[in-house]
Amino acid sequence: QQQVKQSPQSLIVQKGGISIINCAYENTAFDYFPWYQQFPGKGPALLIAIRPDVSEKKEGRFTISFNKSAKQFSLHIMDSQPGDSATYFCAAGGGYQKVTFGIGTKLQVIP
Amino acid sequence: GAVVSQHPSWVICKSGTSVKIECRSLDFQATTMFWYRQFPKQSLMLMATSNEGSKATYEQGVEKDKFLINHASLTLSTLTVTSAHPEDSSFYICSALDYEQYFGPGTRLTVT
Repeated sequence: QQQVKQSPQSLIVQKGGISIINCAYENTAFDYFPWYQQFPGKGPALLIAIRPDVSEKKEGRFTISFNKSAKQFSLHIMDSQPGDSATYFCAAGGGYQKVTFGIGTKLQVIP
Repeated sequence: GAVVSQHPSWVICKSGTSVKIECRSLDFQATTMFWYRQFPKQSLMLMATSNEGSKATYEQGVEKDKFLINHASLTLSTLTVTSAHPEDSSFYICSALDYEQYFGPGTRLTVT
């Protein structure tokens, strides 16, 4: 059972454009929704995380939008840059304990 | 931010031998650490949750006798792959919990 569904699996965006990655979860007990960025051959790095008491969180060019009723959340990368090219994983979990990862989105930002 | 290290970063071993991977939280203490494996172009799959001073909790389908986890201190957890086989070749990643989950750089295991 895939508890966190992520789409698209790959994304190509022009430099300066907006990258949008969507995730949906099933378990209503989840209350922690982080996004991770992973470069090839490296471990994931926490980008930004949100809890369901807010509908949006912004950190620099990265914004999480959260829709509790729809059980969906998304990552927006504004002014995408070639250095943002990486694989992005959404995840969901309860509290600060283990999280379940989405399948990942390979983002390519072309000049 | 919190830093987690792994050693070694890559290892090649012969089939049937055992390999130990270390995960250290460098600037914080972690009661809880997690071990994941990741196959090429796939997501991270949680193998087990490691709690300092107690037995690890393994996810369904993970052989606890094959993947031995020891969390002997608040800054160190080890994963030992026993009697490794080629199908165990993968990218193993640990994380340590300190308010947020911080990941190590991963260990590439190749079993020949």
